[in-house]
Amino acid sequence: ILNVEQSPQSLHVQEGDSTNFTCSFPSSNFYALHWYRWETAKSPEALFVMTLNGDEKKKGRISATLNTKEGYSYLYIKGSQPEDSATYLCALVWGSQGNLIFGKGTKLSVKP
Amino acid sequence: DGGITQSPKYLFRKEGQNVTLSCEQNLNHDAMYWYRQDPGQGLRLIYYSQIVNDFQKGDIAEGYSVSREKKESFPLTVTSAQKNPTAFYLCASSAPLGGGAGETQYFGPGTRLLVL
Repeated sequence: ILNVEQSPQSLHVQEGDSTNFTCSFPSSNFYALHWYRWETAKSPEALFVMTLNGDEKKKGRISATLNTKEGYSYLYIKGSQPEDSATYLCALVWGSQGNLIFGKGTKLSVKP
Repeated sequence: DGGITQSPKYLFRKEGQNVTLSCEQNLNHDAMYWYRQDPGQGLRLIYYSQIVNDFQKGDIAEGYSVSREKKESFPLTVTSAQKNPTAFYLCASSAPLGGGAGETQYFGPGTRLLVL
């Protein structure tokens, strides 16, 4: 059974802190990895699609890196703001159909 | 505005009753998906459809059925055979597969199903 692990499960930080969390996945037969942000009462929104080993993507204060050989991706948030509070999901693209296998998410709370 | 709509926001099911959750998209996407979320779990795939009039079972299809008669619509029926239907249900869509990267999925706002 394919398993995508995210850690930590939850995280509480103060406004202005920088933070990061991890997504781990089987390194064999890698296809692509997605990161999504899911704010309370809203729909999950795509952040990044990562495909190549060593990929690094950035959107504002949020960035992500990918290591397909060791099977992990890091998501970094620089200078966290209360509006960054959300659950961050990573999902592994699996198989020729391109279906996503989701981790359980990391719930980030940023206190003002 | 382009997007995905799901209705209703909340749905109550009585024992032995079938209920249908609606999902509509106007993004002109070929692929559509249904996920279920339970507390402490990741999103799990119930059914998906890559094209009209075709659909495939996901990881947890038992007790569910779908249809894909129109490109923009992918309703999910929770049948009486689903013994633990209480969950949050998310619908998503994506453009056709291409490029080998796995297409970004766009999600609806979800339907919460509760059993009376």
